[in-house]
Formats: sequence, C-alpha cells, structure tokens
Amino acid sequence: QKEVEQNSGPLSVPEGAIASLNCTYSDRGSQSFFWYRQYSGKSPELIMSIYSNGDKEDGRFTAQLNKASQYVSLLIRDSQPSDSATYLCAVNPREGGYNKLIFGAGTRLAVHP
Amino acid sequence: DTEVTQTPKHLVMGMTNKKSLKCEQHMGHRAMYWYKQKAKKPPELMFVYSYEKLSINESVPSRFSPECPNSSLLNLHLHALQPEDSALYLCASSQESAGHEQYFGPGTRLTVT
Repeated sequence: QKEVEQNSGPLSVPEGAIASLNCTYSDRGSQSFFWYRQYSGKSPELIMSIYSNGDKEDGRFTAQLNKASQYVSLLIRDSQPSDSATYLCAVNPREGGYNKLIFGAGTRLAVHP
Repeated sequence: DTEVTQTPKHLVMGMTNKKSLKCEQHMGHRAMYWYKQKAKKPPELMFVYSYEKLSINESVPSRFSPECPNSSLLNLHLHALQPEDSALYLCASSQESAGHEQYFGPGTRLTVT
C-alpha cells in the first residue's frame, strides 16, 4: 500500500503568520500532487496542484515539490481565521493508473486572532 | 465552472432498504469517482469510471453497486447496508488528460439505522 503521510496537528498559528503544512509520500514514481482544504462537515475543495519540482504560487498559497526527497508542502501566507480547516495532501501514484489518488490523513490548521 | 452536484444531501435508510445516490457534472469530464469518508478520516476511493466504463473497484462489498448511465451522471445503488456504512459519500470528477485534478461534490451524508 502506497503511503502519504501528514502530521495530524493541530497546527496553531496566529493571524497574519505563515502556516507551513508538510507531506511525504512513499511511491517515488508519483506524478501529480494536490492540496485540498476541507472545512468541518463539508467536502474537500481543491486549492493547489503541482507536477514539477519547485514552487507554484497562487495568491496566498504556495505549493513546493521536491521529488528527490519525496516531499510536498503548502505555505499559507497572511493566515486568516477563515483558513482554519483540515488540509489534505493527495498524491497520484504510479501504480493503479493516473486516476487514482491516495490521500494523507490531513493536517488540522487553527488560525487564532 | 467546477461544479459537481449530488443528491440527496442527507439520507437515512434502514438495513433492508434500497436507495440510490446521484451525482452529476457538466464540465465535460470523462472520469468520475465515488469516495467514502468517515469522520476525521481522509476520503477512501470506492469506484472509478473512465469513459463510462468501470475502471477501478477497490474491493467494495456488493451491497454498493455503481452505475454510469452517461458521461455526466453517476449513481450509487445501495442495498442491505450495515450501520458501519454510515458515512459521507463523495462524488468527484476529472479530465482524462494530464492534470487529473479531481473536483468533489458536496457529498451525501448517509445514516444506516
């Protein structure tokens, strides 16, 4: 079973700070990487996708991928209380075809005023 | 537009009932998915349809029966469920091309009594 690992948290940051969420994966052949945000009682919402090594920025969000270290991260700048949610890392493994996503257990982020 | 719709929002059913969950997308996506999510756990893949054909069945019990009537619709037929099947059932869709970003619907909250 291919694994995706995240620290379950909670990660507590003050409003306005940078929140750093981390994810490691075991399948070296993994091709695509995604971050989803899930509010309590709601469905996952895609916030970032990344496919190549390096950084990808979208507004206050930056995804970072290092395939050699099998590591993907999400930075949230100027964190707001509305960012408080569970963040799920998802990886498309080589095995099983490119439609399959393996999710990490999620990191709960709490942004306090 | 990245909207996936699901009906009903909530469903309560007895162990002898037969019911169906419905999912619809109008994004021209050719892959559709069913996931099951228990509280405080990540989504677990159940089924994948690619070009209206079942491509992945994650060893799901036969009391769950998927159906893809056309490229926009996905159903999940439920029969003789157990209380432990109570969960949030999520539908998602994606393009069949590079990217594979999956977009989730709002989910159906199922309670089996």
